[in-house]
Amino acid sequence: KAGVTQTPRYLIKTRGQQVTLSCSPISGHRSVSWYQQTPGQGLQFLFEYFSETQRNKGNFPGRFSGRQFSNSRSEMNVSTLELGDSALYLCASSLDGHDNEQFFGPGTRLTVL
Amino acid sequence: AQSVTQPDIHITVSEGASLELRCNYSYGATPYLFWYVQSPGQGLQLLLKYFSGDTLVQGIKGFEAEFKRSQSSFNLRKPSVHWSDAAEYFCAVGAGTSSNTGKLIFGQGTTLQVKP
Repeated sequence: KAGVTQTPRYLIKTRGQQVTLSCSPISGHRSVSWYQQTPGQGLQFLFEYFSETQRNKGNFPGRFSGRQFSNSRSEMNVSTLELGDSALYLCASSLDGHDNEQFFGPGTRLTVL
Repeated sequence: AQSVTQPDIHITVSEGASLELRCNYSYGATPYLFWYVQSPGQGLQLLLKYFSGDTLVQGIKGFEAEFKRSQSSFNLRKPSVHWSDAAEYFCAVGAGTSSNTGKLIFGQGTTLQVKP
C-alpha cells in the first residue's frame, strides 16, 4: 500500500497570506489527523477528521481550519499567516481513529516571511 | 490532563552500545502508548505500540519497550545501537476513547547521537 502523501512538501508565504495543505491517507483509512511541529512547542495536535466531519480539535485559533472529502483526502487551511505559523505540518491517517495507531506523512514545511 | 515527559533531550551513545530512552506519561486509565522515530526532514515512523496484554513489546529495527504501570513509564530499549539509529525519538500517548479520537500527545523528543 502507498503511504500517506502530503503536498506540497515545501511552501514559502508572506505574512497575511493564506495557505492550503493537502493530505492523502493510506487507502482504506478514514481518519485523518493534523499536527504542527515547531522547535519550541514540539508536536501539537490540530484536529482530526472522520467521514468528512471534524471529530476532535486542539487548541489552535480559528485561523486554522480543515476539511475532509468523501475519498478521505483532507486539506488544512491557515488564513492570515503569522511568522509563528512557520512549522512542519504533519498529517497522519488511521483506520478509524479509535485505536490511535497513526501513520504519518513526510510533512509540509511552511515558512512564513 | 494527559501528558508525556521525555526527561532526556539529547543522548549520545557509542555504536554497538545498548540504549534506553525514557518516557513517563500521565493518564487516568490504561493508555495507548507509542514510540515514533523521525529522521531529519522526514515524517514520523512508528517503531512500536502498546495497547494491552504483554507489557514487553517488540518493534521494528530491533527496538523493544516495556510498559510499567506502577511507574507510569514506557521506556524504549535496543541492545546494540547502529549508526543509522541516529534520529529523534518521540514517545506518545493516545486516549483511545470515543470522545478523544485521533489525538496523540507527544513528548518533547530525545535526540540520539551515535558515536563511531
